[in-house]
Amino acid sequence: QVHLVESGGGVVQPGGSLRLSCAASGFTFSSYGMHWVRQAPGKGLEGVAFIKYDGNTKYYAESVKGRFTISRDNSNNTLYLQMNSLRIDDTAVYFCAKVFGSRHDYWGQGALVIVSS
Amino acid sequence: QSVLTQPPSVSEAPRQRVTISCSGSSSNIGNNAVNWYQQLPGKAPKLLIYYNNLLPSGVSDRFSGSKSGTSASLAISGLQSEDEADYYCAAWDDSLNGYVFGTGTKVTVL
Repeated sequence: QVHLVESGGGVVQPGGSLRLSCAASGFTFSSYGMHWVRQAPGKGLEGVAFIKYDGNTKYYAESVKGRFTISRDNSNNTLYLQMNSLRIDDTAVYFCAKVFGSRHDYWGQGALVIVSS
Repeated sequence: QSVLTQPPSVSEAPRQRVTISCSGSSSNIGNNAVNWYQQLPGKAPKLLIYYNNLLPSGVSDRFSGSKSGTSASLAISGLQSEDEADYYCAAWDDSLNGYVFGTGTKVTVL
């Protein structure tokens, strides 16, 4: 069955960088778009970055444009989120999600990122 | 900030029916399919309804969705304690060129 496992979360100082990974299994990774969605403590869901199946098209939320980069390695079934110039308000649980059509049909368990001095 | 507006909370007694509204605009709900997600406490979201009113395999038929114009709604009938969760609507937004989520609604079973 489908499994999405995020890793790379942790504590980082403001202005620092972190790279999240999402290891995918149980489906043909190279055939589906993937989305990073985050949830700040006690808050709702926010779409952060989306990448199409072939990696050629990417969309970013305004709040992360120019700071975050989404990428994928279809040969290793892995999705990435490079986060630079991190701010305190980037503190959140980051979920990766498989996108089928317009829906997120599978989600990972999430990786916690804490930006704090 | 979310562009899809939901009531912060709804509550009802067991075995009753609740409805959650989701208000958007022509660039999102008005022109694209609406999906609904259920998030149990401390868990990842789970797809509940897709393409406005379709149920994924394994989802109880006590859940139903509908869409009209720039609004959508989720109904839960025969409310059970296990339905206590946060619920989010979502849709692609053509103006923002991104996927937007609703503000979220907490369902409490009295």
